[in-house]
Amino acid sequence: QVRLQESGPGLVKPSETLSLTCTVSGGYISTYFWTWIRQPPGKGLEWIGDIYYSGTTRYNPSLKSRVTISVDTSKNQFSLKLTSVTTADTAFYYCARCMGSNVLDYWGQGILVTVSS
Amino acid sequence: EVVLTQVPDSQSVTPKEKVTITCRASQSIGTNLHWYQQKPDQSPKLLIKYASQSFSGVPSRFSGSGSGTDFTLTIDSLEPEDAATYYCHQSSSLPITFGQGTRLEIK
Repeated sequence: QVRLQESGPGLVKPSETLSLTCTVSGGYISTYFWTWIRQPPGKGLEWIGDIYYSGTTRYNPSLKSRVTISVDTSKNQFSLKLTSVTTADTAFYYCARCMGSNVLDYWGQGILVTVSS
Repeated sequence: EVVLTQVPDSQSVTPKEKVTITCRASQSIGTNLHWYQQKPDQSPKLLIKYASQSFSGVPSRFSGSGSGTDFTLTIDSLEPEDAATYYCHQSSSLPITFGQGTRLEIK
């Protein structure tokens, strides 16, 4: 079964860059789109964007100017960078596999990233 | 962007009760509507894809229906472990969007 695991700093200072990595196991990253989603504590879900193994990316227009998603097929990983963070970027960040027509079938456990000085 | 509106926002229900959650889309999305269950301190899990197809391993008491703009998630004979927040999600057009969530509390 496919498993996804997020990793990265749990605390980021305002104006700095949030960087997270998702490691995929139990399956190859060389197919499907791979997605980042976030959820502020106690609130709803927001799609950040995704990447195909070839490097094709799709981003939420609301975050596009600050987001970069990349993939490393040799490590079966994909990554998220979010620049110029503010307290509004404090959230649980999830990585997920996007099968078929953008259905999110497997999710990581999530990582809480707090933006605070 | 497609806006999804779920009704109700929250509901308190008793075990074995039948529960219906609705999701309305701001424009027609065919059957590109999916349902997720999120239990406290867990990540969301896929329940229903393409409006009515059960995902692997999901109990048969969960079912979905609808097309176009109006969709329904039904839980027959609610179990205590079904206490969770349920989200609908549209994949018809980018950006992918989610409903605001429906919180189910078990009495």
